[in-house]
Amino acid sequence: EVQLVDSGGGLVKPGGSLRLSCAASGFTFVSYNMNWVRQAPGKGLEWVSSISSSGSYIFYADSVKGRFTISRDNAKNSLFLQMNSLRADDTAVYYCARSLPPDYWGQGTLVTVSS
Amino acid sequence: AIQMTQSPSSLSASVGDRVTITCRASQDIRNDLGWYQQRPGKAPKLLIYAASSLESGVPSIFSGSGSGTDFTLTISSLQPEDFATYYCLQYYNYPQTFGQGTKVEVK
Repeated sequence: EVQLVDSGGGLVKPGGSLRLSCAASGFTFVSYNMNWVRQAPGKGLEWVSSISSSGSYIFYADSVKGRFTISRDNAKNSLFLQMNSLRADDTAVYYCARSLPPDYWGQGTLVTVSS
Repeated sequence: AIQMTQSPSSLSASVGDRVTITCRASQDIRNDLGWYQQRPGKAPKLLIYAASSLESGVPSIFSGSGSGTDFTLTISSLQPEDFATYYCLQYYNYPQTFGQGTKVEVK
């Protein structure tokens, strides 16, 4: 069974940093592109970042470019999102999701940026 | 970035109704379009990919059509569990972009 488990969210002050993780199981992680998608409270879905299966190709939304870094550890079946210089408008549930289009999703982890 | 214009933003329907949701892309995206269902507090669920292909395990009451710039999601007979929010997603290029969502509510 495909499973994606998101973790690492929490309350952080503006300007702070947080690192999200996504633990994958039930499929050959190294064969799949991976994504982060977020959803602000009461709002729609917003694509954040994607990374190719090997990690060679990386894409970011303009809203996070230069502040967020996506990475993966294929040996540990894990996906990461390093978030720096966090702002109030980064407050959202962050989901990791497999493939293109994203077919399996994690349960999400809530990031709250507030002083 | 490609803009996805989804309509309507909300609709009211009854169990058994036929429901249609549309998405228009600001440029040709071939058939690189997916449809998602999201229930409150849950992660999105992929229903349709490649504009018209039914994801494994998804009931056949869901269907998708279209190519180029105009796309449609149809629910042929609304079931109680289908009251949810639906989103389209273009994955033709980056940034991937979602429609604004359509909330399907009980009439």
